[in-house]
Amino acid sequence: GESVGLHLPTLSVQEGDNSIINCAYSNSASDYFIWYKQESGKGPQFIIDIRSNMDKRQGQRVTVLLNKTVKHLSLQIAATQPGDSAVYFCAENTGTASKLTFGTGTRLQVTL
Amino acid sequence: DGGITQSPKYLFRKEGQNVTLSCEQNLNHDAMYWYRQDPGQGLRLIYYSQIVNDFQKGDIAEGYSVSREKKESFPLTVTSAQKNPTAFYLCASSSGSDTQYFGPGTRLTVL
Repeated sequence: GESVGLHLPTLSVQEGDNSIINCAYSNSASDYFIWYKQESGKGPQFIIDIRSNMDKRQGQRVTVLLNKTVKHLSLQIAATQPGDSAVYFCAENTGTASKLTFGTGTRLQVTL
Repeated sequence: DGGITQSPKYLFRKEGQNVTLSCEQNLNHDAMYWYRQDPGQGLRLIYYSQIVNDFQKGDIAEGYSVSREKKESFPLTVTSAQKNPTAFYLCASSSGSDTQYFGPGTRLTVL
């Protein structure tokens, strides 16, 4: 498979525990944020998004928190499963011509 | 079955050769994008197109070219001017300025 993120920060979590993946974004004008999941050799998969007028949004087993004061975004995964093992990217949209800026990603490893 | 398709999955190029990567979507999205992904780095934007017959350079357009003759299709040509083309190439599409949805990617290797 594709060797995505050979030198990425890695978060190791035991199956069943909760995971928290963090992301610092750069542009205070960014108004839309997305979390993606990328498995080895595959394209990124949309997980959840949040707009800047919100500070929390929940999906199925996932929650995104946005702290605009410190320009910080986090993804919480409840009851982490082996299938959650992947690289997770945050992306921000400043509203300029639909362009997204991506973080470098965090590798999540789920141990049994 | 709606989505974004990319072909081929793996592509090998000889030095000095141009190659074209295919991207097709049936989501009726107006905007399409090409990204390059290298190990340990985030996705970098090569080119994007917001409407048919129009496209703009992204952050790393040198050595690449695109066309957007149809709404469904946004092929990327990697030219011989691209000195380090070995990478994973991802195509995406979106409706408006919101979520981008990605294809499965093409792995390009220079021999």
